[in-house]
Amino acid sequence: SQTIHQWPATLVQPVGSPLSLECTVEGTSNPNLYWYRQAAGRGLQLLFYSVGIGQISSEVPQNLSASRPQDRQFILSSKKLLLSDSGFYLCASALGEVSYNEQFFGPGTRLTVL
Amino acid sequence: GNSVTQMEGPVTLSEEAFLTINCTYTATGYPSLFWYVQYPGEGLQLLLKATKADDKGSNKGFEATYRKETTSFHLEKGSVQVSDSAVYFCALRAQGGSEKLVFGKGMKLTVNP
Repeated sequence: SQTIHQWPATLVQPVGSPLSLECTVEGTSNPNLYWYRQAAGRGLQLLFYSVGIGQISSEVPQNLSASRPQDRQFILSSKKLLLSDSGFYLCASALGEVSYNEQFFGPGTRLTVL
Repeated sequence: GNSVTQMEGPVTLSEEAFLTINCTYTATGYPSLFWYVQYPGEGLQLLLKATKADDKGSNKGFEATYRKETTSFHLEKGSVQVSDSAVYFCALRAQGGSEKLVFGKGMKLTVNP
């Protein structure tokens, strides 16, 4: 099965600072990759997904961006963080385009913007 | 479009109580259906899934049956434990291999001893 690694586990950043969160996947190749954000006490919001290297689809317009420089690496970035960027960021992976394949989630990164 | 509606809670139960979390969906065709669980401070874990009508997914004492006629996938457990305290998400992935999972808003369950 797949293993998703995320780092850092926690991060405290000032408003206006840059951000880089990294996600790597083991145990599979050519996965679909996803970034979600979970604000406190709320559900999951899909931010970006990628079906291959260099292919990024954005779900929500905002000051975040994503990149996929390698098959099993997915990076979430921002040039200038906002207070509203605080939350729990989850990376997920799924195999291909078969509907019964579930998504596997990483342990998450808790971001606090002060 | 595709959507998932589930009970949002929060819900507090006593240990050994019966649990039902309702989930209904809207989708074309035959989506695959999932229940995910999120323990405090962690990522999501797949709890169970069903990929076609009348399938029953089960795991750790939890069960859910894919009901096409009522477009539902309700989660049940006969006797909850304190360790079941978590947030539960219902989700679907559309037939035809859509890249995305569609999640419900999640329901927080607290089980007291």
